[in-house]
Amino acid sequence: GAVVSQHPSWVICKSGTSVKIECRSLDFQATTMFWYRQFPKQSLMLMATSNEGSKATYEQGVEKDKFLINHASLTLSTLTVTSAHPEDSSFYICSPGAGHEQYFGPGTRLTVT
Amino acid sequence: LAKTTQPISMDSYEGQEVNITCSHNNIATNDYITWYQQFPSQGPRFIIQGYKTKVTNEVASLFIPADRKSSTLSLPRVSLSDTAVYYCLVGATTSGTYKYIFGTGTRLKVLA
Repeated sequence: GAVVSQHPSWVICKSGTSVKIECRSLDFQATTMFWYRQFPKQSLMLMATSNEGSKATYEQGVEKDKFLINHASLTLSTLTVTSAHPEDSSFYICSPGAGHEQYFGPGTRLTVT
Repeated sequence: LAKTTQPISMDSYEGQEVNITCSHNNIATNDYITWYQQFPSQGPRFIIQGYKTKVTNEVASLFIPADRKSSTLSLPRVSLSDTAVYYCLVGATTSGTYKYIFGTGTRLKVLA
């Protein structure tokens, strides 16, 4: 399978600040990037889908102005949580995909204090 | 989008074979069935993928009946380290993009 990295693996930030999470697909060219979040003891919830060079498509209930997604290349995507609040504390997982192939990053634990 | 239904949890003992069945009644013709394993605070890890009949790899087998409305993941001789959440995923194409929507998953606990 593909090697996917996320940075940082965990981050603590203060309420009101912004946090950027980077996802790299090291050996796989991802035409599509999916971003999920996962709350404790719950399943992964799809937040948004982005195709390289295009604007992201957000799932219902996900604020596009709060979760900024950039998918500038086939190997790099970023998720920026703007004006973070404690309820944004979660585990964020990127997932590069192409066709029927989809891989998952190791996740980023965000804690907003 | 195809929706999957799995048991919420299962317990097993070390050395036993574990079978987890997933229902996906609305699976479309071009959908594949993929199983992932997830440990706490880690991303999902690919286990196996199939389209029909039976698929086997070094860690698991996947059985898919002819109607493809269900599938069964078989883990031979589980060990304590197989304690994890297992997700059955059926992707679907919406607006030209193939993507996975996660269901509840099955929380497998392997006992000594």
